[in-house]
Amino acid sequence: DTAVSQTPKYLVTQMGNDKSIKCEQNLGHDTMYWYKQDSKKFLKIMFSYNNKELIINETVPNRFSPKSPDKAHLNLHINSLELGDSAVYFCASSQGDRTFADTQYFGPGTRLTVL
Amino acid sequence: AQSVTQLGSHVSVSEGALVLLRCNYSSSVPPYLFWYVQYPNQGLQLLLKYTSAATLVKGINGFEAEFKKSETSFHLTKPSAHMSDAAEYFCAVRPRSGAGSYQLTFGKGTKLSVIP
Repeated sequence: DTAVSQTPKYLVTQMGNDKSIKCEQNLGHDTMYWYKQDSKKFLKIMFSYNNKELIINETVPNRFSPKSPDKAHLNLHINSLELGDSAVYFCASSQGDRTFADTQYFGPGTRLTVL
Repeated sequence: AQSVTQLGSHVSVSEGALVLLRCNYSSSVPPYLFWYVQYPNQGLQLLLKYTSAATLVKGINGFEAEFKKSETSFHLTKPSAHMSDAAEYFCAVRPRSGAGSYQLTFGKGTKLSVIP
């Protein structure tokens, strides 16, 4: 079974559209994350979320919003897509207990292309 | 704020040669340290992590890393490179406490090429 899954794997869309990327984890973890990987492979945290706390990276535009229907899912909604949003988006999850044992497990990524 | 620097965006080694990928962190308190590998068109996979139990950490696929506080480093090594090791490698840090202690900060990655 896939631990962290994302859909779709590829997403091609026009500027100005609104889109969502879904993420599901079956690890029983309490905390989930979204990362953006740009064309130079640089990975940057966008959000971390558990049922008590949402931490937003201050550089993330408010066009991006995480939505969690339950503990196993954290979807990423993007409004009014721009060319600069083209990237690979990774979902991850961890126990979130902030101890040394807390390890993040990553999904396979969603490659978003905005035309 | 914590940061991590990976020296060398691209490293090439011959098959069977030593692999050395460099990572330095900057923070007053040593953070938790991680190495992840990303194979082409795939997600990130944890290779190993430093949690302060031992300075020499062994990971999967024959990789290991040594934490050196005096040098603020956590370099990744493998004695003998294999063709299947060709991938992008990321060093990451996570603070031990305080705001953002959930979150990983990644280096810019090092692409490892293995020459037959």
